[in-house]
Amino acid sequence: GAGVSQSPRYKVAKRGRDVALRCDSISGHVTLYWYRQTLGQGSEVLTYSQSDAQRDKSGRPSGRFSAERPERSVSTLKIQRTEQGDSAVYLCASSLSPGGPTEAFFGQGTRLTVV
Amino acid sequence: GQQLNQSPQSMFIQEGEDVSMNCTSSSIFNTWLWYKQDPGEGPVLLIALYKAGELTSNGRLTAQFGITRKDSFLNISASIPSDVGIYFCAGYPRESDMRFGAGTRLTVKP
Repeated sequence: GAGVSQSPRYKVAKRGRDVALRCDSISGHVTLYWYRQTLGQGSEVLTYSQSDAQRDKSGRPSGRFSAERPERSVSTLKIQRTEQGDSAVYLCASSLSPGGPTEAFFGQGTRLTVV
Repeated sequence: GQQLNQSPQSMFIQEGEDVSMNCTSSSIFNTWLWYKQDPGEGPVLLIALYKAGELTSNGRLTAQFGITRKDSFLNISASIPSDVGIYFCAGYPRESDMRFGAGTRLTVKP
């Protein structure tokens, strides 16, 4: 399809383990975001990157979260030393223009459960 | 980072009623977006607003970009059961740094 695709849809991880979540964005889209969504707290931006993967900007909550962009339309969110509080839905979104804000299109999310 | 304050947190309405929700920010936003999220799915864009004062409709949905550029509202007229879901506002306080509100959970009773 032509939309944003995330995998896996569901992930269970033991506390302390590292996890990697994948996002395949829309071809041609330049900016890619990762959000964490928790019930009642809405969505929190974790990181976003523009076309230059080297300019990944890490946001909250801490350095345990990082994103890599091995290809322009692929991003991997890595969570190191998972904690129970990391249990959430992780959403990936991409948007077209690097020069200004445009609509972002979202994947279906990966639901992570840390046990 | 800049927070978006979205209200109300939840709404329970009868089918056929109109709905209004809003978002405010402490800083100026360049773009306001409204999304709807169904259970198990990612947010889907409903309306995008780019200019202060802009009023845009999408079927029964109407959204406005506030004159101060610090707020936006979304109205849904004549609600139907499939309007159930979580509605999120989002915006750009600066280029490529989109932020979300916490969402408004809408329940429509037939």
